[in-house]
Amino acid sequence: SAVISQKPSRDICQRGTSLTIQCQVDSQVTMMFWYRQQPGQSLTLIATANQGSEATYESGFVIDKFPISRPNLTFSTLTVSNMSPEDSSIYLCSVHDRASYEQYFGPGTRLTVT
Amino acid sequence: QKEVEQDPGPLSVPEGAIVSLNCTYSNSAFQYFMWYRQYSRKGPELLMYTYSSGNKEDGRFTAQVDKSSKYISLFIRDSQPSDSATYLCAMRGTGFQKLVFGTGTRLLVSP
Repeated sequence: SAVISQKPSRDICQRGTSLTIQCQVDSQVTMMFWYRQQPGQSLTLIATANQGSEATYESGFVIDKFPISRPNLTFSTLTVSNMSPEDSSIYLCSVHDRASYEQYFGPGTRLTVT
Repeated sequence: QKEVEQDPGPLSVPEGAIVSLNCTYSNSAFQYFMWYRQYSRKGPELLMYTYSSGNKEDGRFTAQVDKSSKYISLFIRDSQPSDSATYLCAMRGTGFQKLVFGTGTRLLVSP
């Protein structure tokens, strides 16, 4: 299974600022995903990031708010822009293993916006 | 109606009990079914993965899929306090389609 790391593991940010979350995978993967998990809620897909193409955003999420980079097959970043307290959440990076069809998750970044 | 329904719990059991966790779904196109375990302040960990109907066993864990009833289950035998976590079901269709998650069931196993 893929090993996924995320930085930072947690952060407390002020309203109106931006935070960039990094996701590193120990093997090359085609598809990487960014999820949000709000307190007491399940996982909501924000966007799918394929290397070499623009990220595909789910309904309710826009590129201006959540810009994503995918410079190579092992790395991606998600930026949470112009943050408000409603953005307080856990942000999770995930990858899809094409050989096994299994999907794995990173440890998450716990974001608190004050 | 949500595509995937899962009782949020909490489900409290004594150590050694058999635990049954369940999800129902409405989309008959779902073919791949997963169970994830999520400890507090951690990311989800893939526990079981099944394709189509049938049973799959891995140690103390058994995953069961009944596509005719649109119902999936995860059984945990000889439950341990270390099994205390939130269990999320997830499923998707063929090719690559996005995973649809249940809300998760919080399990508490007391010593």
